[in-house]
Amino acid sequence: LAKTTQPISMDSYEGQEVNITCSHNNIATNDYITWYQQFPSQGPRFIIQGYKTKVTNEVASLFIPADRKSSTLSLPRVSLSDTAVYYCLVGALLGRLAFGKGNQVVVIP
Amino acid sequence: ETGVTQTPRHLVMGMTNKKSLKCEQHLGHNAMYWYKQSAKKPLELMFVYSLEERVENNSVPSRFSPECPNSSHLFLHLHTLQPEDSALYLCASSQDRGGRLGYTFGSGTRLTVV
Repeated sequence: LAKTTQPISMDSYEGQEVNITCSHNNIATNDYITWYQQFPSQGPRFIIQGYKTKVTNEVASLFIPADRKSSTLSLPRVSLSDTAVYYCLVGALLGRLAFGKGNQVVVIP
Repeated sequence: ETGVTQTPRHLVMGMTNKKSLKCEQHLGHNAMYWYKQSAKKPLELMFVYSLEERVENNSVPSRFSPECPNSSHLFLHLHTLQPEDSALYLCASSQDRGGRLGYTFGSGTRLTVV
């Protein structure tokens, strides 16, 4: 099970781009990288998933370097409602998710 | 609404009670999961069901008993719980066990054991 390491918390001002990093040095060949967002007392919500290079959807971009030992979630122009805990997960094919402590992002007005 | 519905949203129970948590999904997913999230701790995977068969049990105490009668429903039966079992219990589903296309979580049941 690949272990992930994220900063514990970060603050950002409203309207800025936020980049959240994650280290996963022992990622396996078959592993995908998935990011989730969680608000208090709610279940995590899928944001984006990627395998290599760059993936973009309507809410975020995911950048993965060639060695795949890290990834960066980019949230463009954050708003107050983006205040949440963001989890980076590296999944094998066993259907197991190893959630770390996540990164608490606080958006400041 | 995520497509995964958990009931009840809140539950308070005594240590001698028996209660059940329910999870329902109509996303056509084939795998379902129970997670526990205690305060200030990461989510802990408890059970995994794939096509109604339990495929993982992460050393969960026997006072937690899962049941998956069909691919759309998942239950967690609780009996003689301890105060330290108080937590947010989350149900999730995925198209298959690999979770390749992501997992969909319910909003959870906030359980308090008194």
